[in-house]
Amino acid sequence: KAGVTQTPRYLIKTRGQQVTLSCSPISGHRSVSWYQQTPGQGLQFLFEYFSETQRNKGNFPGRFSGRQFSNSRSEMNVSTLELGDSALYLCASTRGLADEQYFGPGTRLTVT
Amino acid sequence: QQQVKQSPQSLIVQKGGISIINCAYENTAFDYFPWYQQFPGKGPALLIAIRPDVSEKKEGRFTISFNKSAKQFSLHIMDSQPGDSATYFCAASLSGGYNKLIFGAGTRLAVHP
Repeated sequence: KAGVTQTPRYLIKTRGQQVTLSCSPISGHRSVSWYQQTPGQGLQFLFEYFSETQRNKGNFPGRFSGRQFSNSRSEMNVSTLELGDSALYLCASTRGLADEQYFGPGTRLTVT
Repeated sequence: QQQVKQSPQSLIVQKGGISIINCAYENTAFDYFPWYQQFPGKGPALLIAIRPDVSEKKEGRFTISFNKSAKQFSLHIMDSQPGDSATYFCAASLSGGYNKLIFGAGTRLAVHP
């Protein structure tokens, strides 16, 4: 069974720009969660989508948004990028509610 | 109350030794406690997980010990190998069907041959 895939793997953007990251969950998984990983703050929860609905949201500004499509694929968007948004963005997929989460390899975003 | 505190920050173990990483939490509503292993350049990989109704779970060389009254849980890696050298994260999530994981800060494990 294929794992969680994330595209692109690496991105370099300029401050003020916006970016869209994509995540394809494991086949049959309906929940997708997004996390930000930085050396200073560690792994922090951004939001979770289940059946195209946002179920949960972390403490991030409104510049961070996401959505989920009917095939469970998910995208997250960051607008008006700041230097502090440089991080590894991880997507995790879960079969249902309160199940094991499996992470993708992440997208490394660098904001200059 | 949402925090998960992990220690130590780093750990050096000789090949064949036992690696022990500890985590503590405050929120008694947490009911799922996974451990993840992360290698450089990779996403976290689920290693083993436990729920509060059991005090210990073993999978191969990896064991989780869970102490509900102390609100602590730990990961034991028996017969540690150089290939186990990675960063380990404990995490917790709330009951009620939520998939929001609260992570510890991580422990960088180095197993020397």
